[in-house]
Amino acid sequence: SQQGEEDPQALSIQEGENATMNCSYKTSINNLQWYRQNSGRGLVHLILIRSNEREKHSGRLRVTLDTSKKSSSLLITASRAADTASYFCATVGASGGSNYKLTFGKGTLLTVNP
Amino acid sequence: SQTIHQWPATLVQPVGSPLSLECTVEGTSNPNLYWYRQAAGRGLQLLFYSVGIGQISSEVPQNLSASRPQDRQFILSSKKLLLSDSGFYLCAWIRGANYGYTFGSGTRLTVV
Repeated sequence: SQQGEEDPQALSIQEGENATMNCSYKTSINNLQWYRQNSGRGLVHLILIRSNEREKHSGRLRVTLDTSKKSSSLLITASRAADTASYFCATVGASGGSNYKLTFGKGTLLTVNP
Repeated sequence: SQTIHQWPATLVQPVGSPLSLECTVEGTSNPNLYWYRQAAGRGLQLLFYSVGIGQISSEVPQNLSASRPQDRQFILSSKKLLLSDSGFYLCAWIRGANYGYTFGSGTRLTVV
């Protein structure tokens, strides 16, 4: 079953603008992760935020986590055409033990226009 | 460095034919291994995972099976493919808690 649900499903912006994608989930988590997928390719891990963290940065990426609202956001600043891809949030459940299963949302398709 | 290999990249198979997709990991030992399937325009569905040799957990009852004959080898199989088995299959591994997954490049399977 889907755990994370991204919003919006699709986002189109101009190069240089910021892109914000949101994710909601249903159950308690150990951590939440964001991935990027270029068309027809495998997924690339972008950033992981633990359940006891509220914000994390990596280059042009900023992720926030609000466990009280069971939501997260991914901000890409100063977007580039190369950022065009699908972005997925995924969660590792708090009660998963050592299997570290990831449950994915359906993704947000980001298009950055030159 | 750790790498993950997945093959073939594309596969067209007739209904009722067998399937074998292979995934191998290099540069690490005793990884957790996963098979996911992605339908067109959809998120990823976990099919199987393995925490050790010979240990397979199935997430969704279906026409597929998985095996882990060696520590760094994970195989996805079917005896008779169905049209509904078409999709993009991804293998992944993880080092441990609070690490991200490393995905293979995927196999696009079309059952005709």
